[in-house]
Amino acid sequence: GAGVSQSPSNKVTEKGKDVELRCDPISGHTALYWYRQSLGQGLEFLIYFQGNSAPDKSGLPSDRFSAERTGGSVSTLTIQRTQQEDSAVYLCASSNRQVGEQFFGPGTRLTVL
Amino acid sequence: AQTVTQSQPEMSVQEAETVTLSCTYDTSESDYYLFWYKQPPSRQMILVIRQEAYKQQNATENRFSVNFQKAAKSFSLKISDSQLGDAAMYFCAYRSRQGAQKLVFGQGTRLTINP
Repeated sequence: GAGVSQSPSNKVTEKGKDVELRCDPISGHTALYWYRQSLGQGLEFLIYFQGNSAPDKSGLPSDRFSAERTGGSVSTLTIQRTQQEDSAVYLCASSNRQVGEQFFGPGTRLTVL
Repeated sequence: AQTVTQSQPEMSVQEAETVTLSCTYDTSESDYYLFWYKQPPSRQMILVIRQEAYKQQNATENRFSVNFQKAAKSFSLKISDSQLGDAAMYFCAYRSRQGAQKLVFGQGTRLTINP
C-alpha cells in the first residue's frame, strides 16, 4: 500500500552534468506523469506515460530532457547537460486511469550550480 | 488550450474561521474534472477535493467544499473551521475527461492560518 516514491529527494549538480531522477508509482497504476515546479513557471506538465509508451511528451522543454518507463512501472527522467534554469522540484504522479485521480510523490529538488 | 487562474497569491484567516480561495478556468470542453490540491512544506501534493463537470451538485469533503459555477467557469474552495494544519499552498487544477490526461495548474494560493 505504499504511495508514489521518488529518488533522490535532493540532487545538487554542476552545470553541464547529466542527472537521472527516478519515480516508483503506486503498484498497478498504469498512468504515470512528470511535472516540474519552479518559481518562475509554476507547476508545468512534462510527460505522460500509459504503460511503457508516452502518448504525450509535449511538455518536455528541450531535447536535453528525456524519460522512459520500463515494465509498466519505474520511470526515469534524464536531463542531459544541465543548465541553471533546470533547477526546480520535479514531481511524479501516477493514476489508475479509470479513477482519474493522480497521486503525487514527494518530488526531487534539483539544484544546478 | 486550457488555462487556470488563481488571482489570490496569498490569503490568511484566523483559526476556526472560514476562508474561500478563488479559481477560474478557461476551456472549450464540456466534460472535465476540476481539483484542489494542497501542498504543505513537505512538498507532497495532496488531493483535497474533486469535481466532475457533469455533476451539478457541489463536492464536499468534511470541512472542505466547492462552489462550482460551470457557466462562469469558476471553481472556488471554501474551508470551514480553519485549522493550523490547513496552512499550505493550494493549487486549483483542470483535467480533460478525454484525450490529454495532464493536469493544468493555477499559480497557487499560499494560505496562512493565524492562531
